[in-house]
Amino acid sequence: GQNIDQPTEMTATEGAIVQINCTYQTSGFNGLFWYQQHAGEAPTFLSYNVLDGLEEKGRFSSFLSRSKGYSYLLLKELQMKDSASYLCAVMDSNYQLIWGAGTKLIIKP
Amino acid sequence: DAGITQSPRYKITETGRQVTLMCHQTWSHSYMFWYRQDLGHGLRLIYYSAAADITDKGEVPDGYVVSRSKTENFPLTLESATRSQTSVYFCASSENEMETQYFGPGTRLLVL
Repeated sequence: GQNIDQPTEMTATEGAIVQINCTYQTSGFNGLFWYQQHAGEAPTFLSYNVLDGLEEKGRFSSFLSRSKGYSYLLLKELQMKDSASYLCAVMDSNYQLIWGAGTKLIIKP
Repeated sequence: DAGITQSPRYKITETGRQVTLMCHQTWSHSYMFWYRQDLGHGLRLIYYSAAADITDKGEVPDGYVVSRSKTENFPLTLESATRSQTSVYFCASSENEMETQYFGPGTRLLVL
């Protein structure tokens, strides 16, 4: 079966750095997406990786290793507004997104 | 720039009733999707559509019906609502099947 694993919850301090991991086993691979979802709101697109390596976008970076079935989202200089759930999703061989259950990130002052 | 909208935003209904959730996008995206989101689960695909008059089942289609007569609209109908269909429903769209999906604000549905 297809499976996406990510931690249920993480806590970090304002101004610090946090890494959210995602491991996957899917039927084929056509890219990995990270979305941010604030409580009661819609998921919003953060990043996309299809090749191995690091993609940097401001305070957020996303890394992919296809051979290991592994990705992480790195958030730097954490702000209170970064408190949200972070969703990892893999596009399978049928171009359908398989979603993890999300990681709830709690930022403490 | 409306983007993608959903209505209603909140709905309470009773078991056995028919309910239709609306989704409208202004980007002329080819692909549209319906997901449900429940605690402890990732987003689960109910139905998707590649173009007007082309729809296909996702992971959890039972109890749902969709149609797409116009590119911009993709309504989702629960023909006879059940308590297990209490959920948050998200509509999404993308230019094509490989592109990023953009989500509407969601509809919170409670079935009593």
